[in-house]
Amino acid sequence: GENVEQHPSTLSVQEGDSAVIKCTYSDSASNYFPWYKQELGKRPQLIIDIRSNVGEKKDQRIAVTLNKTAKHFSLHITETQPEDSAVYFCAAFYGKLTFGQGTILTVHP
Amino acid sequence: EAGVVQSPRYKIIEKKQPVAFWCNPISGHNTLYWYLQNLGQGPELLIRYENEEAVDDSQLPKDRFSAERLKGVDSTLKIQPAELGDSAVYLCASSSHLGTEAFFGQGTRLTVV
Repeated sequence: GENVEQHPSTLSVQEGDSAVIKCTYSDSASNYFPWYKQELGKRPQLIIDIRSNVGEKKDQRIAVTLNKTAKHFSLHITETQPEDSAVYFCAAFYGKLTFGQGTILTVHP
Repeated sequence: EAGVVQSPRYKIIEKKQPVAFWCNPISGHNTLYWYLQNLGQGPELLIRYENEEAVDDSQLPKDRFSAERLKGVDSTLKIQPAELGDSAVYLCASSSHLGTEAFFGQGTRLTVV
């Protein structure tokens, strides 16, 4: 089955800096890659997603890149703000969504 | 649009007791998932429904867990008997079709004592 590895497990940045979270997946048939943000005690919420026929997608301060050959995808957050602090999960879909282990992002004011 | 609704939000039970969780997905969503999330980890799929059919339950511990989705709408997840290691957050999610955005409910935090 699909296996998704996510790095780093924790990430600490200063407000205004950029943050990058990387994921690799094992099943080359995976074709949908969402990113979820989960604040403490709350539900995971989709922040951006990308399909396998696209290499990059951007939404304001958030962007995702996908390298199908290398089977990895990354989340880029620019101009980070304290409210970006949360746990971020990547996922890969082929028949079912398989999640990475999560990255705890802390943005210091 | 109402989101995915789960109940209860919290449940504390003694080990060996039964427990049930309920999920009402977004109206019209054919795909329903039950995930288990341990503290500090990503959600792990327990079971996936397409309408009323369970199409992926390979990760569901069938000796103690069961699930149903009557009429392809609401779903219940049951554990009987509960063990200490079952303490976790149980998340329900739904999507309009397979391979589209999955919307999560608030989850049920289960504590087995």
